[in-house]
Amino acid sequence: KAGVTQTPRYLIKTRGQQVTLSCSPISGHRSVSWYQQTPGQGLQFLFEYFSETQRNKGNFPGRFSGRQFSNSRSEMNVSTLELGDSALYLCASSLAREGAPVHEQYFGPGTRLTVT
Amino acid sequence: AQKVTQAQTEISVVEKEDVTLDCVYETRDTTYYLFWYKQPPSGELVFLIRRNSFDEQNEISGRYSWNFQKSTSSFNFTITASQVVDSAVYFCALSEANNFNKFYFGSGTKLNVKP
Repeated sequence: KAGVTQTPRYLIKTRGQQVTLSCSPISGHRSVSWYQQTPGQGLQFLFEYFSETQRNKGNFPGRFSGRQFSNSRSEMNVSTLELGDSALYLCASSLAREGAPVHEQYFGPGTRLTVT
Repeated sequence: AQKVTQAQTEISVVEKEDVTLDCVYETRDTTYYLFWYKQPPSGELVFLIRRNSFDEQNEISGRYSWNFQKSTSSFNFTITASQVVDSAVYFCALSEANNFNKFYFGSGTKLNVKP
């Protein structure tokens, strides 16, 4: 099976711009989560989608948003970029289902976002 | 409050030494899951193991072993006879059953294995 794929792998944006990152989960996985990884804050949970519904959200401002499509692919959007948004954005998918035990998440290679 | 603490920021060992990475977690839930991930220099997080709160049996997989102790809220990871390829950052993570797949990660332990 193909792993989690993320596009683009690298991105350079200017302050104030917006960006959209894409994630394709492992086939059959309906849960997609997003994380931000920075040297200072480590790995922080952004949000999780299951069957096109956001089930959980981390402590990030409203500039961070996401969505999931019917084929389980997901996108996250960051509007009005700030310098502090520079980070590695990781997408993960899992077999999580309604009312089922928590499954391990499989991570993609990430998108390295640099805001100048 | 920090839900997962990895107190060891960086550890250096010589090849063939055994090394233990510590993980202490905090939760009020009775049903939760613990994980270990490896992040090599390439950057991609690699899943190593999942344990649920009802299974305290230790697990061994080749040179890797995990010790889960609810009494001390710890889930430690030991690499036996370390190899240079084990050099990576290792993360411990916690997920609570009612929290829809939200993972709390520790700050990670960087392991350097020298030849």
